Amino acid sequence: DGGITQSPKYLFRKEGQNVTLSCEQNLNHDAMYWYRQDPGQGLRLIYYSQIVNDFQKGDIAEGYSVSREKKESFPLTVTSAQKNPTAFYLCASSPPLDRDPNEKLFFGSGTQLSVL
Amino acid sequence: SQELEQSPQSLIVQEGKNLTINCTSSKTLYGLYWYKQKYGEGLIFLMMLQKGGEEKSHEKITAKLDEKKQQSSLHITASQPSHAGIYLCGADATGGGNKLTFGTGTQLKVEL
Repeated sequence: DGGITQSPKYLFRKEGQNVTLSCEQNLNHDAMYWYRQDPGQGLRLIYYSQIVNDFQKGDIAEGYSVSREKKESFPLTVTSAQKNPTAFYLCASSPPLDRDPNEKLFFGSGTQLSVL
Repeated sequence: SQELEQSPQSLIVQEGKNLTINCTSSKTLYGLYWYKQKYGEGLIFLMMLQKGGEEKSHEKITAKLDEKKQQSSLHITASQPSHAGIYLCGADATGGGNKLTFGTGTQLKVEL
C-alpha cells in the first residue's frame, strides 16, 4: 500500500540536543512538507520541498533544518536553537500540480516531540 | 498572507444532533479543503471545494463554499461517536500551488 511513514511516533529531546524526525513516502510524489501542530493553533508550515535537492522555508523555519537527497525521504532536524520544540509534527506530500487531484495533501501519522 | 478562522473552537453535541463548523478566510479561496484528525494522528481528507456556491456531501457530512468564496461550512447530520475528532479547514492561497494554510481547528466531542 502506498503512503507516508513517519517515525518515531514519540520522541524526547534533552536540552541542547538535535533530534531528527523521519518521513518516507512511496507515493512517487515530488513535493513534501513539514507542519507543526500546537494545541489551538492549527498547522503551521516549517519547510517544504518541491523537488529533490531543493527546499524552501515555510512560516516558522527558525530552529529547524531539512534535507531532500532522495525523492522518497524528507527528514526534519529540530536543532538546539528551537527553544520550544514540544509539538506534534506532521509530514505531508502532494502529487504534481498538473495532475490536479481532488486531495491536495497526503499526511503521515505524525511524531509527538517532547522536551525532557 | 492568507488567514483562516474556524468557529467554534470546540463543540460538544449529543449523539443524533446536527452541527455546523465554519471556516472564514480573509482572502478569496482558490480551493478549500476539509480534513478530519483523530487525536495524535494524521489528517484524513474529507472534501475539497473550488467553485463559489459549490456543495459536496459524503455520507452524513456536507460542505459548502459561499458565492464569494471566502467562507465555508461543514455540516454533520445526526452526529455519531465516530464523528468525534478535530476538523480542520485548509486553503490554497495562491490558486495553483500545493501549499495549504490551515485554520486553527474545531474539536468535536459527541456524547452518548
